[in-house]
Amino acid sequence: GENVEQHPSTLSVQEGDSAVIKCTYSDSASNYFPWYKQELGKRPQLIIDIRSNVGEKKDQRIAVTLNKTAKHFSLHITETQPEDSAVYFCAASSGTYKYIFGTGTRLKVLA
Amino acid sequence: NAGVTQTPKFQVLKTGQSMTLQCAQDMNHNSMYWYRQDPGMGLRLIYYSASEGTTDKGEVPNGYNVSRLNKREFSLRLESAAPSQTSVYFCASSLEGVGGELFFGEGSRLTVL
Repeated sequence: GENVEQHPSTLSVQEGDSAVIKCTYSDSASNYFPWYKQELGKRPQLIIDIRSNVGEKKDQRIAVTLNKTAKHFSLHITETQPEDSAVYFCAASSGTYKYIFGTGTRLKVLA
Repeated sequence: NAGVTQTPKFQVLKTGQSMTLQCAQDMNHNSMYWYRQDPGMGLRLIYYSASEGTTDKGEVPNGYNVSRLNKREFSLRLESAAPSQTSVYFCASSLEGVGGELFFGEGSRLTVL
């Protein structure tokens, strides 16, 4: 079955710097790759997603890139702000209704 | 709209006790999911229901049962709770299922002593 690995597990950046979180997946049939943000004590919420027919997608300060050949995808956050501090989860789905999540990255933005 | 509602939010059980986590969504979504969240292990899929009347196992189904009561409701039952089932449980729903956004409930924190 699908396996998703996520790195790093923790990431600290200075406010205003960029943050990059990377995920790799095992199932070459995976075709949908969402990213979820979970603030402390709250529910995960979708922040951006990408499908396998697209290489990159941007939404203001966040972007996701996908390399199907290497089976990895990354989340990029530019000009980080304190409110970006949270746990970020990547996920992969091969169209079987199963969404398999990575183990999460705790991002700390230092003021 | 309330979105996805889970009850209870907190529960403490003794080993061997049973309980049911309730989940309901008011968004007319077709697919529903149960995940558990443990430190350092992310969100792991327990069971899912692609549509009313169907349920399937996820990554970690052992020790759990589910019921898709109708389109709105999807319950998770622990028949004989074990300390290893101490976790935060999230219910989620999706309109499309395949390649659609998951909407999560607020979570239910379960402690098994």
